[in-house]
Amino acid sequence: DIQMTQSPSSLSASVGDRVTITCRASQGIRNDLAWYQQKPGKAPKRLIYSASNLQSGVPSRFSGSGSGTEFTLTISSLQPEDFATYYCLQHNSDPRTFGQGTKVEIK
Amino acid sequence: EVQLLESGGGLIQPGGSLRLSCVASGFTFSNFAMNWVRQAPGKGLEWVSGVSNSGGKTCYVDSVKGRFTISRDNSKYMLYLQMNSLRAEDTAVYYCAKVGWDPQDIDNWGQGTLVTVSS
Repeated sequence: DIQMTQSPSSLSASVGDRVTITCRASQGIRNDLAWYQQKPGKAPKRLIYSASNLQSGVPSRFSGSGSGTEFTLTISSLQPEDFATYYCLQHNSDPRTFGQGTKVEIK
Repeated sequence: EVQLLESGGGLIQPGGSLRLSCVASGFTFSNFAMNWVRQAPGKGLEWVSGVSNSGGKTCYVDSVKGRFTISRDNSKYMLYLQMNSLRAEDTAVYYCAKVGWDPQDIDNWGQGTLVTVSS
């Protein structure tokens, strides 16, 4: 099975900060990676697909990059509504696996 | 608009069985693979199981193999998860999730149904 190591597990940031979250795959997964945002009590919402493509309707301050084993989600200027937990998902092979999540909290 | 609505969760004793259902609408159900994903209280997301669009191919995370069975009825736009020999560690919100065509990640989620395994 492919392991996804996501870091950091949590971070504190201020409105306007640039935030970077990383996912590392235990083996190459091409660009078969998506990023999701989840708010408390809600289902996850897709932000990025195929590692770097922005989901329709998602603000352009979100961006993704990477290929192979290392991937990054960047929020260029953190907004109040971005405080949430973020997950990566590899869909290169079954069983699919999520990263452990990154909780973005208000500083 | 894609809609996924789960049902069937509840409180069940260890060793018991439960069947989750998910009714889909807003897309041609038979064209897309489907997944179940769960989230234990206060924990992260865990992919549980997947089924191909025809139902002919299934896959499970190791922790549920031999206990859970995923299935679908394309004529009814329904996805199921039969859960047997339930354990306390199966306690979670279970999400029904639609897989995209290309890429084949999860592009839509249901609101989830809570399964609590406790005596």
